[in-house]
Order: sequence, then structure tokens, then C-alpha cells
Amino acid sequence: NAGVTQTPKFQVLKTGQSMTLQCAQDMNHEYMSWYRQDPGMGLRLIHYSVGAGITDQGEVPNGYNVSRSTTEDFPLRLLSAAPSQTSVYFCASSYVGAVGSTEAFFGQGTRLTVV
Amino acid sequence: GQQVMQIPQYQHVQEGEDFTTYCNSSTTLSNIQWYKQRPGGHPVFLIQLVKSGEVKKQKRLTFQFGEAKKNSSLHITATQTTDVGTYFCAGPNYGQNFVFGPGTRLSVLP
Repeated sequence: NAGVTQTPKFQVLKTGQSMTLQCAQDMNHEYMSWYRQDPGMGLRLIHYSVGAGITDQGEVPNGYNVSRSTTEDFPLRLLSAAPSQTSVYFCASSYVGAVGSTEAFFGQGTRLTVV
Repeated sequence: GQQVMQIPQYQHVQEGEDFTTYCNSSTTLSNIQWYKQRPGGHPVFLIQLVKSGEVKKQKRLTFQFGEAKKNSSLHITATQTTDVGTYFCAGPNYGQNFVFGPGTRLSVLP
């Protein structure tokens, strides 16, 4: 059981380049989300999805796009990379229980540097 | 929007000492989750609290949810070097996703 798989683990981009961070889960979870983690700021929600075909913005969505064509996959696209997007990116998935979303399972993270 | 605050930001303890981190929300929470992140790792779920005044224990870890459901705490008894990491609380927002606090980084000196 792989859980949540993110690729790549590391990436260096030049300012203005675009790229896609991949995220896949094999737990049939409805909810998937992308967070970025910067020193001293915890995890901030970028975009999230409550099911295939449905996405919405989180706290810090600017500069990022997402789509959810299948339950398993939730890619994050950086349209035109900027140094401010240097961060560690985590994808997470969870299912809906009696009290709402239950525990989130996180991927291993992608460490992105924009130069 | 909802904000989740945590104190302290950092805590250094000697191995065997106790440790507590506190989480406060600007709004009433339907539930709260706690996560642990080891250095260089990813957040790992510890527990979810739902009921007002709830107390749950996991070995040396004790979690509490306030009566007003606006605050929570995590207490570790007799810390060990394996407890090193950052502890996050998270409250629901943005549909059923969670807003994370800034975390408390715990270091344990052997």
C-alpha cells in the first residue's frame, strides 16, 4: 500500500519556468489537498479538491493551478515560477467520516527551489 | 477567517522532562487534529479530538480539547529523544480541509 506518492522529491527551476508537481493516492480518498511549508509558518493550504472534477482555492492559491480528473491524481501546476515559490510542497489525502474530514495522509514532500 | 495559534514556538527540554504545547483558535472548532513532523519528514497524524472537554492518551502523550472547543493542548510526559520534531494542531476550514497552526518545535537534549 503506497499511500500518497509525490514526485519529484527535489526540483530546481529558473524564474519564469513552469512545472507540474505530481500527487497520487491509492486509498480511494475523496479529499486531496496541496500545502506549502515555509520556515516558521507551518503548512498553508494552496488548493484542495473534494472529489473528481471539483477543486477550490485555499489560503495561498495565487500562482498555482490544479485539476482533478480522477480520484487518484491531483497535480499542482506552477504557471510561471517565482523565487517566492521556493518551499516544500506536501500533498495530502483524507476521507470523510462522521465528523467531517478524518486524518490526513501526507506524501513525502517536494523540495522546490526557484532561482 | 479562522486562525489557529500555537505556543511556544520552540521548546528545548532535557530528556526526561515534561513538555506541553498549546493551541488556540479564534473561533469554535468542531474538532481538532494533532500532527507530528520529524526533521526532514512529513506530517504524521497523531489524534483527532471531537468532544468538548475530551481527554485522550497515547502512552506518554495526553491530548485535551477545551470545554469551549477553542483551545487544545498536547502534553508529553518524560520526553525521550524520539519525541524530537514539530507538533502541529489543525482546525477544520475550507470545506473539510484543515488550517494548521505554526507548530511547536521540540528539541530534547540527551
